Amino acid sequence: SQTIHQWPATLVQPVGSPLSLECTVEGTSNPNLYWYRQAAGRGLQLLFYSVGIGQISSEVPQNLSASRPQDRQFILSSKKLLLSDSGFYLCAWVLGQGSYEQYFGPGTRLTVT
Amino acid sequence: QQQVKQSPQSLIVQKGGISIINCAYENTAFDYFPWYQQFPGKGPALLIAIRPDVSEKKEGRFTISFNKSAKQFSLHIMDSQPGDSATYFCAASISDYKLSFGAGTTVTVRA
Repeated sequence: SQTIHQWPATLVQPVGSPLSLECTVEGTSNPNLYWYRQAAGRGLQLLFYSVGIGQISSEVPQNLSASRPQDRQFILSSKKLLLSDSGFYLCAWVLGQGSYEQYFGPGTRLTVT
Repeated sequence: QQQVKQSPQSLIVQKGGISIINCAYENTAFDYFPWYQQFPGKGPALLIAIRPDVSEKKEGRFTISFNKSAKQFSLHIMDSQPGDSATYFCAASISDYKLSFGAGTTVTVRA
C-alpha cells in the first residue's frame, strides 16, 4: 500500500532563517507530487506541483521553491523565511494515469517567529 | 480568483441530523469533484468523489449530489455523529490533476 511521509511534523523558525521540508512517498512510482499551504482556519493553496524528477511548476510567486531530486521525494525550501510563511504545509500525491485521487500527508506545522 | 465557492463557512447540527454543504464552480472543464474531511492538526482525507456523468453518489452516510447544469454540487451527511465533527472541503479538478479547493466548512455535531 502507498504511504506518504512528511517531516518534520512541527517547526519553529526565526524570520530570515532557511527552510527545508521533506516529503516522501512509498509504494508507488512516478507519482504527481504537490505542495499546499493552509493558513489557520483557511482553505488549501497549491504552491508547487511536479510530474517527474526535476520537473517543478509554481502556482504562486513567493520566496519558496521546490525540488524533486528523486522520483518519490519532494522538497520545499526557502532561503529566508518571512512571518507570512507560517502555516500548515501539506504534501500530496496522485498516481495519475487516469486516476484522479489525491492523497495528503500528515503535514508540517511551521511557525515563523 | 477562487474557482470553487463553498458554503456555509460553519454549521452546527444535532446528533442524528443532516449536514448539508454546498459548492459552486465556474470552470466547465472540471471533471472530478472530491470531498475531503480534515480533523485538527491532520492532513485532509479523501472522503468521497464524483464525476460529472453521475448525478448522485452515496457511500455509507455520505452522499454527493451533482447538478451539472447549475454547476453546483453538495455533500450530505446523514445521521450526523459527533465523530463527524471536522472541516470539510470540496474541490474540483481537470485532467492535469490539480485540485482547486473551496474555503472549507467546519461542521460541529452536538450530542
